[in-house]
Amino acid sequence: LAKTTQPISMDSYEGQEVNITCSHNNIATNDYITWYQQFPSQGPRFIIQGYKTKVTNEVASLFIPADRKSSTLSLPRVSLSDTAVYYCLVGDIEVYNNNDMRFGAGTRLTVKP
Amino acid sequence: DTGVSQDPRHKITKRGQNVTFRCDPISEHNRLYWYRQTLGQGPEFLTYFQNEAQLEKSRLLSDRFSAERPKGSFSTLEIQRTEQGDSAMYLCASSSQGEAGNTIYFGEGSWLTVV
Repeated sequence: LAKTTQPISMDSYEGQEVNITCSHNNIATNDYITWYQQFPSQGPRFIIQGYKTKVTNEVASLFIPADRKSSTLSLPRVSLSDTAVYYCLVGDIEVYNNNDMRFGAGTRLTVKP
Repeated sequence: DTGVSQDPRHKITKRGQNVTFRCDPISEHNRLYWYRQTLGQGPEFLTYFQNEAQLEKSRLLSDRFSAERPKGSFSTLEIQRTEQGDSAMYLCASSSQGEAGNTIYFGEGSWLTVV
């Protein structure tokens, strides 16, 4: 089981780049790293997923160092609408069990004007 | 909209009543998951199906909770004899086995309030 550790909360201002780091020291060989965003009263929304190095999509970038023991979600030029809880999950690419895809408390990001 | 659909979105029930939630996954997804989320906490895994087989149910909160996916398509989550502590948001999600990373896509959730 790859337990994840994230900061409980972060504050930022509009237009800034926000980096949220997740620690997962026990990540297994087949584990992928996935980030979700959740707004109040809504289900989590998939943001980005990666296995190693760097992944970028239209929403965010994900940086994974060579040892894969941590990962950093980067949100460029945040806006007020990016205020949400962000979850880092680590799970096997093929096998799902009750220990995988376990959500922690996430990181509550607050973007201020 | 071809995402995960949940119904009803909101349910208020009296303590002791039974409630049932329905989930329609993304059509090509063969895996379906149920989670529960309370205020201030991350989603808590309950159970999951691969096609019609329920492969993990040990995390269901009590024997009052049951889930079915009879034809490998939609699923229902039933809570019998509801208690106030069952008040939460119940999330359904789906994924496709074999898809790299096994990305799980969530529905908007079903809110349950037990009074």
